[in-house]
Amino acid sequence: ETGVTQTPRHLVMGMTNKKSLKCEQHLGHNAMYWYKQSAKKPLELMFVYSLEERVENNSVPSRFSPECPNSSHLFLHLHTLQPEDSALYLCASSQETSSTDTQYFGPGTRLTVL
Amino acid sequence: KQEVTQIPAALSVPEGENLVLNCSFTDSAIYNLQWFRQDPGKGLTSLLLIQSSQREQTSGRLNASLDKSSGRSTLYIAASQPGDSATYLCAVRPEGLTGGGNKLTFGTGTQLKVEL
Repeated sequence: ETGVTQTPRHLVMGMTNKKSLKCEQHLGHNAMYWYKQSAKKPLELMFVYSLEERVENNSVPSRFSPECPNSSHLFLHLHTLQPEDSALYLCASSQETSSTDTQYFGPGTRLTVL
Repeated sequence: KQEVTQIPAALSVPEGENLVLNCSFTDSAIYNLQWFRQDPGKGLTSLLLIQSSQREQTSGRLNASLDKSSGRSTLYIAASQPGDSATYLCAVRPEGLTGGGNKLTFGTGTQLKVEL
């Protein structure tokens, strides 16, 4: 596997379910990100982990809980979601110390909350 | 708070045409600006990155320019092809941040369709 992978690619869940999204990067990067992409809206940065420590939480509801056990893996734990949480969730990674760093994105998980 | 706007929201052109996509941002205190491409249902792919001290970057048929003081960037695509059909997003990184990740602010994108 190369680049950034995300599983599952599609997820349908009820409002009372608990599920987790997984992201893995094979690029040796030291920063990882979760974004939410809703129709007709800009990508919203949800969480940033740098050197495995959370450095950003953009007022995300507590029903979203991130976890970064090591520099290669990032999880987003979901519980008691609302239908408006249906969106494409994108993971990205970057080498934060580089002046020309760019973010490399995974293919996303398409989440539907019923 | 930084806001990034992209015009037009959608664009349809015949194959072979040269075209320009526009991006504007409200806070000129940026470290760099990037253009990304997103194919339907997929993640983003970085196309060009312009540092705040640069005026333009080129890659193949793509040329991106940056006018930091006026808060504008353009992406020029020469001789468009059907394979260029995708959504194009621009994103800015604020200056002055060290450590703590690379926090980008994205525009809503321009959806491009190149027809045969």
